[in-house]
Amino acid sequence: EVQLVESGGGFVKPGGSLRLSCAASGFTFTNAWMSWVRQAPGKGLEWVGRIKSKTDGGTTDYAAPVKGRFTISRDDSKNTLFLQMNSLKTEDTAVYYCSTSHQYSGSRPVYNYYTDVWGKGTTVTVSS
Amino acid sequence: QPVLTQPTSLSASPGASARLTCTLRSGFNLGDYRIFWYQQKPESPPRYLLNYYSDSSKHQGSGVPSRFSGSKDASSNAGILVISGLQSEDEADYYCMIWHNSASWFGGGTKLTVL
Repeated sequence: EVQLVESGGGFVKPGGSLRLSCAASGFTFTNAWMSWVRQAPGKGLEWVGRIKSKTDGGTTDYAAPVKGRFTISRDDSKNTLFLQMNSLKTEDTAVYYCSTSHQYSGSRPVYNYYTDVWGKGTTVTVSS
Repeated sequence: QPVLTQPTSLSASPGASARLTCTLRSGFNLGDYRIFWYQQKPESPPRYLLNYYSDSSKHQGSGVPSRFSGSKDASSNAGILVISGLQSEDEADYYCMIWHNSASWFGGGTKLTVL
């Protein structure tokens, strides 16, 4: 069974830091592009960022509100995705989801049994 | 103006069809984008439903019934999600999404009520 389990959420003061983890199982994590998406209380979904597989360059992309403050990384030996969040703001308060991102070979989408699977999320609260 | 605009809410009767729209901001050519659709029920993570680029390039999520289908309406520059044979379990929030310049953009979501 394909599974993603987020952890590391909690309470933090503005300006603080937090590191989220996403443990993956049931699929070949090394080959997967991974994303973080967040959802503020009572609000819609907001994409945070993405990391490609190392074979596809391992590059990262970020949403404008988090660029320069958040860093996505991966440890393929541990099947784990990370989100390092620095200089946190109250508006970063949200449930953070990790997901397997859609992948492309050139412009052609590549689908597999772990396409677009989501974890249950972890809650981050930034408050003084 | 948001990149993607969705109606805040929509109501439909059991057994009927619901047509959810996702309008792209002016300057975003519908034909250039693959439209992704997600369903989210309370206290649950989003579930990928499908994506639609054209009739020859589309994808149904794993286990998603065929009564969920995607299309495009060029006249309104909008992606469309149609849910036919509505069931009470279809009551949820529905989000559309596109990728643009290596970034993902979600619509604000439509709350679908089945009554």
